Amino acid sequence: DSGVTQTPKHLITATGQRVTLRCSPRSGDLSVYWYQQSLDQGLQFLIQYYNGEERAKGNILERFSAQQFPDLHSELNLSSLELGDSALYFCASSLGAGPSYNEQFFGPGTRLTVL
Amino acid sequence: QQPVQSPQAVILREGEDAVINCSSSKALYSVHWYRQKHGEAPVFLMILLKGGEQKGHDKISASFNEKKQQSSLYLTASQLSYSGTYFCGTEVRIGDMRFGAGTRLTVKP
Repeated sequence: DSGVTQTPKHLITATGQRVTLRCSPRSGDLSVYWYQQSLDQGLQFLIQYYNGEERAKGNILERFSAQQFPDLHSELNLSSLELGDSALYFCASSLGAGPSYNEQFFGPGTRLTVL
Repeated sequence: QQPVQSPQAVILREGEDAVINCSSSKALYSVHWYRQKHGEAPVFLMILLKGGEQKGHDKISASFNEKKQQSSLYLTASQLSYSGTYFCGTEVRIGDMRFGAGTRLTVKP
C-alpha cells in the first residue's frame, strides 16, 4: 500500500459524459501527478500540481482539467468523453516540488471504461 | 520528449542477467526507474540524478550517462519476482516526467 488513495476504482460511462476522478496523496506529500495508461501507449504524463499550484503540464487534452485543493487532494475532470479515453488513470504523489529528488508513490488507479 | 526504451521485451531463466536501456534526445534533470506488475500500480526502484552516478538496490542497479542522456538498468541473478514491465521516466523540465513505452521482463524457472 503506497498511501495514495484513488476513487472510484472502476468507472463505466457513456460517450459524451463527464466524470471526476479523485486522488488523496500520501500524508505530507505536496505534489500530485496524473497519468493515463492505455494498452498501446504506456504511461502518459498529464499534469502535476504542487501545493495547490499547477507545476507542469504534459499531454493533457483540453477536455480534461484538474485541480488540487487546500487539503492537497486532487481531482481530474474528464468531459465530452470519447471511446479513446478508456484507460487506467493513475495518481501519484511525492514530497517535493518535482520528481528530481523524490520518488513518486502511485495510487491503485481508476479504470475508466467509456461505452 | 518520450524516452526510448530497449528491448521491448526479454525472457530470462532464473539466475540470468539482463540490461534495459533508456535514451533521451534531450538533456535530463533525472532518470527514474519503476516496475509495474500486471494489474498493479508502478513501484519506484531508483532515481539517478545528473552527475553520472550509479545506484543500486539489492541486485538491481542502474547508471546514468549524462553526456549521452542514456540510462541502463542492470538486473543480476534474476529472480521470479523480477517479472514485470520496467519503465524509465525522464525529467527534462522539473515536474515534467515522461515515461518510456516499457520493457516487459519475464523470468522463468
